Amino acid sequence: DAGITQSPRHKVTETGTPVTLRCHQTENHRYMYWYRQDPGHGLRLIHYSYGVKDTDKGEVSDGYSVSRSKTEDFLLTLESATSSQTSVYFCAIASDTYEQYFGPGTRLTVT
Amino acid sequence: GENVEQHPSTLSVQEGDSAVIKCTYSDSASNYFPWYKQELGKGPQLIIDIRSNVGEKKDQRIAVTLNKTAKHFSLHITETQPEDSAVYFCAAHNQAGTALIFGKGTTLSVSS
Repeated sequence: DAGITQSPRHKVTETGTPVTLRCHQTENHRYMYWYRQDPGHGLRLIHYSYGVKDTDKGEVSDGYSVSRSKTEDFLLTLESATSSQTSVYFCAIASDTYEQYFGPGTRLTVT
Repeated sequence: GENVEQHPSTLSVQEGDSAVIKCTYSDSASNYFPWYKQELGKGPQLIIDIRSNVGEKKDQRIAVTLNKTAKHFSLHITETQPEDSAVYFCAAHNQAGTALIFGKGTTLSVSS
């Protein structure tokens, strides 16, 4: 998985609780992305980062925030988890805006 | 808005046959078109990509063709094998060129 790890790999949480997912890379790539994958929707971009402290919104950013204080780490936070945020979350990295390499994913269940 | 449509959603072939998956995109400014393969329980894996300055690219049994005028591109897999069974996603650069817009995926099943 191209030097990308995601943690946790599985999480079950209750509605209304905050959740933080972590993406860590060892490739020193500039760009990092968070996607969610749901049946019938494919992969949808939540947020992305084009450098330390530089982030922008994607297609489905409502209810999510991100932070990137170091090149190697990109955090995705659900401030108050809802059942509609039950999904598989993938992090991806890229050295430029072209070839993206994906991590193994985090399966999140909000009950 | 920007959109990538992918067809078919499912495809079943016999081992040794060819498989073709097609995608269309809406933004004429898109200039990069990757294809990903996703096996069960894993993250998507980049298998081939093409940029707008070429019409075709080949890598062993896999090829991608691009028609910029018609705004569509296709993945061709020849001599399919059971291990080609997976979900395949096409994607295209968004208008700003900063991120990818994905199709909804094609589940390919290769039976022996």
